[in-house]
Amino acid sequence: GAVVSQHPSWVICKSGTSVKIECRSLDFQATTMFWYRQFPKQSLMLMATSNEGSKATYEQGVEKDKFLINHASLTLSTLTVTSAHPEDSSFYICSTLMGGSYNEQFFGPGTRLTVL
Amino acid sequence: QKEVEQNSGPLSVPEGAIASLNCTYSDRGSQSFFWYRQYSGKSPELIMFIYSNGDKEDGRFTAQLNKASQYVSLLIRDSQPSDSATYLCAVSNSGGYQKVTFGTGTKLQVIP
Repeated sequence: GAVVSQHPSWVICKSGTSVKIECRSLDFQATTMFWYRQFPKQSLMLMATSNEGSKATYEQGVEKDKFLINHASLTLSTLTVTSAHPEDSSFYICSTLMGGSYNEQFFGPGTRLTVL
Repeated sequence: QKEVEQNSGPLSVPEGAIASLNCTYSDRGSQSFFWYRQYSGKSPELIMFIYSNGDKEDGRFTAQLNKASQYVSLLIRDSQPSDSATYLCAVSNSGGYQKVTFGTGTKLQVIP
């Protein structure tokens, strides 16, 4: 499967600051990446689909001006949480879509964000 | 009705037994079905995917799909304590769009 890295693995920030999370596809060119958020004891919730060279597609209820996604290259997508608040504290996970018919997704290790 | 439903568990099985995890989905046109394993504090790891009715085996894992009943399951034979994790069922929606929908997961505990 695909190898995906994320940086940082954890971050603690003050309320009102912005945090950037990087997602890299290490062994293949990913035209599509997904960003998920997972609160404790809950399932993965898709936030947005990131497409290389075009605007991200956000899920209903996700503020595109708060969660800025940039997919400028085939190996890198970034998620910036702007003006973070404590309720944004969560586990953010990206995934890449392996080419093929079955839509297998491979996940990065995740970034745990804590907003104080 | 949730799109992908799983029993949250925990499902407790003794070491060496067969663990059976179940999942139902609502979109009859769903094409692909996935099982992910997620250890606490970690991201999901793909275990298996299946797209045709019937069984698909990979080592100790067997995925079973019944599209008529909109039901997919995962069997883990010879369960080990290291199998203790949350298992997420995921379904790829119909229509060619590449999004998948995840269930809330079943927590499996394998008792030594």
